Amino acid sequence: QPVLTQSSSASASLGSSVKLTCTLSSGHSSYIIAWHQQQPGKAPRFLMKIEGSGTYSKGSGVPDRFSGSSSGADRYLTISNLQFEDEADYYCETWDSQKVFGGGTKLTVL
Amino acid sequence: QVQLEESGPGLVKPSETLSLTCTVSGGSISRYYWNWIRQPPGKGLEWIGYIYHSGSTNYNPSLKSRVTISVDTSNNQFSLKLSSVTAADTAVYYCARSGYLAPLDYWGQGTLVTVSS
Repeated sequence: QPVLTQSSSASASLGSSVKLTCTLSSGHSSYIIAWHQQQPGKAPRFLMKIEGSGTYSKGSGVPDRFSGSSSGADRYLTISNLQFEDEADYYCETWDSQKVFGGGTKLTVL
Repeated sequence: QVQLEESGPGLVKPSETLSLTCTVSGGSISRYYWNWIRQPPGKGLEWIGYIYHSGSTNYNPSLKSRVTISVDTSNNQFSLKLSSVTAADTAVYYCARSGYLAPLDYWGQGTLVTVSS
């Protein structure tokens, strides 16, 4: 089964950009992943899925400030023009015979 | 717009069976996979398993011996049963939809289940 690795925390200033990373384990670098946002006290929300090619497709209503990209085993979520409402936990997900989540990155907007 | 809503007891005694139902509205339960995920307080997400509308299932190996997921297509609902619960099963339980080899794209709001005597 694939394993997803995320940094536990990240921070960036209001109005700036931040790039979060989700790394696939060895032998799984071609896998598609998804990003989910979980604001404090709320359920996760699907943001986008990203293919190994870097092609990404977003969920309904996800702002243009959110974009995705890929390099090797790394899948990225970039948030531009950071807003206070972007302060949340971000989880990546992938799937094989079962679904797998990364440990999550807590994003703080300064 | 598809909506999912979890329902069930918020308190379960140790060694008993946790039972939750997810009601799907705004779309048919057919042609999709219906998942259960949980999140212990202050921790990350753990996938429990899914059921296809036909009734075929797939469970997390770490929970497989205690989990049963079933579907009721006539009422657009699917259910989770987790047996022999302990305090370690205390979590917010979410239901969510996914397609074939696809991500979870719609989530319920979650329901907190506490295991305590």
